[in-house]
Amino acid sequence: GAVVSQHPSRVICKSGTSVKIECRSLDFQATTMFWYRQFPKQSLMLMATSNEGSKATYEQGVEKDKFLINHASLTLSTLTVTSAHPEDSSFYICSAEKGAANEKLFFGSGTQLSVL
Amino acid sequence: LAKTTQPISMDSYEGQEVNITCSHNNIATNDYITWYQQFPSQGPRFIIQGYKTKVTNEVASLFIPADRKSSTLSLPRVSLSDTAVYYCLVGDIVATGRRALTFGSGTRLQVQP
Repeated sequence: GAVVSQHPSRVICKSGTSVKIECRSLDFQATTMFWYRQFPKQSLMLMATSNEGSKATYEQGVEKDKFLINHASLTLSTLTVTSAHPEDSSFYICSAEKGAANEKLFFGSGTQLSVL
Repeated sequence: LAKTTQPISMDSYEGQEVNITCSHNNIATNDYITWYQQFPSQGPRFIIQGYKTKVTNEVASLFIPADRKSSTLSLPRVSLSDTAVYYCLVGDIVATGRRALTFGSGTRLQVQP
């Protein structure tokens, strides 16, 4: 199977700082990656679609200036939470699309962000 | 965005077979049906995928009727380690205008000894 590596797995930061989360497809190239947010006991909410070499597309209600996404290569997408606040504390997960669109996703292990 | 409906929770005992049904009435012609398992504080893990009829792998079976408006994930002889949330995914239109797999509420399976 395909492997998607996400790190860090856990980060604690002070309010007002920025945090970068990396998502790498280790054994395949991923033109498209996705970023999700998950609150306790809730489902995954799609935040944005990250496309290699172009700007990310954000879902309605997601602030693009707060959640900066860069997909500079076919194996790496990054999510930067800028000027983090306690309400940004959440579990962030990435996925990479392998094969045909809408066919199968492989997920990273997630990043637990805690903003103090 | 969720286009699937599943029971919120299910309880079972070790050794039993568990069947989780998902409704996806508006599934598109070219959509696959994909099931994922998620443990707390982990990313979802692929279980099984199918398009029609029946698919079986080493961990589960997936039954899809001819109209494809529902599917049933079957877990044979569950153990305590199968306690997790199970998600059924089909495609949905996202902000890019293309279809992508999106998550519904999922089914929280609790296996008791």
